Amino acid sequence: TQLLEQSPQFLSIQEGENLTVYCNSSSVFSSLQWYRQEPGEGPVLLVTVVTGGEVKKLKRLTFQFGDARKDSSLHITAAQPGDTGLYLCAGALSTASKLTFGTGTRLQVTL
Amino acid sequence: DSGVTQTPKHLITATGQRVTLRCSPRSGDLSVYWYQQSLDQGLQFLIQYYNGEERAKGNILERFSAQQFPDLHSELNLSSLELGDSALYFCASSSIKGGGFGDNEQFFGPGTRLTVL
Repeated sequence: TQLLEQSPQFLSIQEGENLTVYCNSSSVFSSLQWYRQEPGEGPVLLVTVVTGGEVKKLKRLTFQFGDARKDSSLHITAAQPGDTGLYLCAGALSTASKLTFGTGTRLQVTL
Repeated sequence: DSGVTQTPKHLITATGQRVTLRCSPRSGDLSVYWYQQSLDQGLQFLIQYYNGEERAKGNILERFSAQQFPDLHSELNLSSLELGDSALYFCASSSIKGGGFGDNEQFFGPGTRLTVL
């Protein structure tokens, strides 16, 4: 059983469209991170959220941590081909615990 | 470039064999993490070392072992390889001891693709 479920698994959209990726769990996380992974490379950290209800913006990307700290979302505005990749959420249950990665969402943005 | 290096990039071997994967963390990082990424299991945490000592264990099989040397590089040893061990193996490093949250960003290497035939 995966601790962190992401949806959708796959997303293929055209340039300029908006999209939202969800990361859900029945567990409460101390903090949650979002990574993007491109083919042939390791994951790269995009953001860390630590407070319930927190919203962080990174250019066209908006990240939200749920009030109960059980879920998170990533919203991309006006997607570009450079956004293509595997998006992973990862959570830590406590300050001393390891990171648990989500199931991943594979995004393809076409011209 | 994350500053984390992994060798080799690709490894093809046969069932029953033993391989060693190597990781050099970013300069100054004391923590090294090993992950396995497969299509059906996603990215799974295997083990973490901090300044030479084992710090946390995840879903690491008994056939697998790791160590971190005084110069902070780490090796992951995989033995009695099975077809199901074929995967991408990532090493990550961070500057602090914890499992990874808050300011503790983990920097991932480019990975080693292991194929067991």
